[in-house]
Amino acid sequence: DGGITQSPKYLFRKEGQNVTLSCEQNLNHDAMYWYRQDPGQGLRLIYYSQIVNDFQKGDIAEGYSVSREKKESFPLTVTSAQKNPTAFYLCASRWAGELFFGEGSRLTVL
Amino acid sequence: GENVEQHPSTLSVQEGDSAVIKCTYSDSASNYFPWYKQELGKRPQLIIDIRSNVGEKKDQRIAVTLNKTAKHFSLHITETQPEDSAVYFCAAVDYKLSFGAGTTVTVRA
Repeated sequence: DGGITQSPKYLFRKEGQNVTLSCEQNLNHDAMYWYRQDPGQGLRLIYYSQIVNDFQKGDIAEGYSVSREKKESFPLTVTSAQKNPTAFYLCASRWAGELFFGEGSRLTVL
Repeated sequence: GENVEQHPSTLSVQEGDSAVIKCTYSDSASNYFPWYKQELGKRPQLIIDIRSNVGEKKDQRIAVTLNKTAKHFSLHITETQPEDSAVYFCAAVDYKLSFGAGTTVTVRA
């Protein structure tokens, strides 16, 4: 069954802790993206990767880091430098313009 | 970079009426314009898209129009039903997708 798998679906962390959100795809897509969504707001681009071992900052990259060591995987680390990390995080891959989204990870920092 | 503006932010319509959402974009290099529907707590789902060489596309009750000269595109939903209630996002694509802020559509029964 092809698709994008994000984990965990829900995550609670204490302030000051780094957390890593997993994103795996078996669609064989080169491009992958991380978006952040806050209530009542649109999707804001954090990082994107167009090919393995390469990634670029999006519009709100501060306080986040990524890696792209394998085509299938694009994990996102939310560091303690991110001032307001509580949000819904969406990972996506892209083919011919269309984005295929994972189900999202909801991070709550206590 | 690309800047996408979307209006209105909220839209309430009577069941059976039409709904129209409008978006403008800034980068003339954008050549693909998808629309996504997101239900509460769910991931966005592509509902219709249009490429820059096409002016209009229709799929049952939904249609999208594109005016490249004016850099705007619109989503039209006809004969709205309660299940059309959701948040709708437009996007403009060159090498990355830039999303509008979203429109919350409520269909009143």
